[in-house]
Amino acid sequence: GENVEQHPSTLSVQEGDSAVIKCTYSDSASNYFPWYKQELGKRPQLIIDIRSNVGEKKDQRIAVTLNKTAKHFSLHITETQPEDSAVYFCAASSTGGGNKLTFGTGTQLKVEL
Amino acid sequence: KAGVTQTPRYLIKTRGQQVTLSCSPISGHRSVSWYQQTPGQGLQFLFEYFSETQRNKGNFPGRFSGRQFSNSRSEMNVSTLELGDSALYLCASMWGPGQETQYFGPGTRLLVL
Repeated sequence: GENVEQHPSTLSVQEGDSAVIKCTYSDSASNYFPWYKQELGKRPQLIIDIRSNVGEKKDQRIAVTLNKTAKHFSLHITETQPEDSAVYFCAASSTGGGNKLTFGTGTQLKVEL
Repeated sequence: KAGVTQTPRYLIKTRGQQVTLSCSPISGHRSVSWYQQTPGQGLQFLFEYFSETQRNKGNFPGRFSGRQFSNSRSEMNVSTLELGDSALYLCASMWGPGQETQYFGPGTRLLVL
């Protein structure tokens, strides 16, 4: 089955700096890659997603890039703010897998003042 | 629209007991997935239901089961509880059967003593 690896497990940045989280996946059939943000004690919330027919997608300060050949995708957050502090999860799914998401292990992002 | 709701929010059980958790998806959504979240294993897919049919199942023992009703509400049941079943159980609501944006509920936190 699909396996998703996520790095780093923790990331500390200064406010205003950029943060990058990387994920790799194993199943070449995977074609949908969402990113979720989970604040302490709250539910995961989708922040951005990308499908395999697109190499990059941007939404304000957040961007995701996808390299299908290398089977990895990354989350980029620019101009980080304290409210960006949370755990971020990458995930992957394939058309045949319906809505089954395989998640990475999460990255604890801390934005320091 | 009202968001995804889950009941109960917190639950304490003892080993050997069984438990039923409920999930009400967003109005109009027909697909529900269930995930188990633990500090050690992260977010793991349990199963997915669409139009009252189980479409996908994760790698969990048969003690974990679920169902979906005609109004799309879903329940999951865990029988013969073990200490390791202590976790946050999240359900996600989606409109359709394929790689849709997943909207998570607040979760049910289960503690098995």
